[in-house]
Amino acid sequence: GQQLNQSPQSMFIQEGEDVSMNCTSSSIFNTWLWYKQDPGEGPVLLIALYKAGELTSNGRLTAQFGITRKDSFLNISASIPSDVGIYFCAGPRPGGTSYGKLTFGQGTILTVHP
Amino acid sequence: NAGVMQNPRHLVRRRGQEARLRCSPMKGHSHVYWYRQLPEEGLKFMVYLQKENIIDESGMPKERFSAEFPKEGPSILRIQQVVRGDSAAYFCASSPPNGQTGEQFFGPGTRLTVL
Repeated sequence: GQQLNQSPQSMFIQEGEDVSMNCTSSSIFNTWLWYKQDPGEGPVLLIALYKAGELTSNGRLTAQFGITRKDSFLNISASIPSDVGIYFCAGPRPGGTSYGKLTFGQGTILTVHP
Repeated sequence: NAGVMQNPRHLVRRRGQEARLRCSPMKGHSHVYWYRQLPEEGLKFMVYLQKENIIDESGMPKERFSAEFPKEGPSILRIQQVVRGDSAAYFCASSPPNGQTGEQFFGPGTRLTVL
């Protein structure tokens, strides 16, 4: 089945640093979604990408839809302590009759030291 | 504008009991999805429902698990005769009727512990 591979698995950074993480797939995706999950909570949608090459920002977050459609990148600039959490990439199964089934990566755990 | 609501937030069951997890989608959303998350893993799709219809249940275990989304009321994920391996966080998500973008909005989850 389709799998999404995220890297790195975890990151430990100092407050103020920039962060980059990525997500790759062996299959083409037509939509890329980036979610953040805080401990004990559900995932919160951060950014949605719909076109190859698209670059979208949401505050200090910027995400890109890779040209090959097989990858996506998330950058966080000037990290702050509340950026701590698990970041997931996800995408709906391409070519299906519905967009119902999201496939998730295994997540990147971000720790920010003040 | 209330988000996706799930209850209970925490549920403890003994082996062999039944677990019922409830999900109310966001206002105006008619598509509901259930996912399961084991510790330190990503979410795994279980089932996709619209009102009174199961659209895709390819991620549901064949036995003991069922889901419904009735015309009135919340969506229910039901696990019969729970076993320790059912312990996990179960998340519900919803999307609007014409949600062709794939965006899904998640509830806070129900954490099921089977003793």
